[in-house]
Amino acid sequence: DTEVTQTPKHLVMGMTNKKSLKCEQHMGHRAMYWYKQKAKKPPELMFVYSYEKLSINESVPSRFSPECPNSSLLNLHLHALQPEDSALYLCASSPPISGRGAYNSPLHFGNGTRLTVT
Amino acid sequence: AQTVTQSQPEMSVQEAETVTLSCTYDTSESDYYLFWYKQPPSRQMILVIRQEAYKQQNATENRFSVNFQKAAKSFSLKISDSQLGDAAMYFCAYRSPKIIQGAQKLVFGQGTRLTINP
Repeated sequence: DTEVTQTPKHLVMGMTNKKSLKCEQHMGHRAMYWYKQKAKKPPELMFVYSYEKLSINESVPSRFSPECPNSSLLNLHLHALQPEDSALYLCASSPPISGRGAYNSPLHFGNGTRLTVT
Repeated sequence: AQTVTQSQPEMSVQEAETVTLSCTYDTSESDYYLFWYKQPPSRQMILVIRQEAYKQQNATENRFSVNFQKAAKSFSLKISDSQLGDAAMYFCAYRSPKIIQGAQKLVFGQGTRLTINP
């Protein structure tokens, strides 16, 4: 069982559609992440929210729009995507890092959303 | 910038035998964290084992252990008594001690696909 829940598991969308990916965690983590993973490649960081504020944007195109409505929920809004955006989108969370005791706390990942853009 | 290299794109092992996955990294930092993540076909990234660079003792988690050679910047994963459920993609990851607004940035290797032969 995963403690980070992502919905939907699969999504097929056209290039003119608007859709959203959802991620939820109830572990009290205050940092949440979106990663993009292409087949047979490692995850690539897209966005990080820390205490519900966007702290890292890895120069992601504006057709991807993240949102963090509260400390447990993270959304990724999709609009006018391209076929090359087809990938596995992973959400992760972690405790806030504030002292050596928390330094080795790992990221907790969800099962991902498999996105296909047609 | 830190880099992580996994030189074995694919490995295979007979069930019940031992296999070692290699990982090397490049960094100028003296205090950092290393992780091995497993990604089975279910897609979730699962933490296998972690190592703090300031600890000389190699980490062990049941059948999984690491050989951490700090001077050589090497962090290999040994899986003993391999089981069919160990089949997955394995990613080595580096994390800097530098805090980026309360969040952590992982640098992933390219991954090693491990096959278990019955």
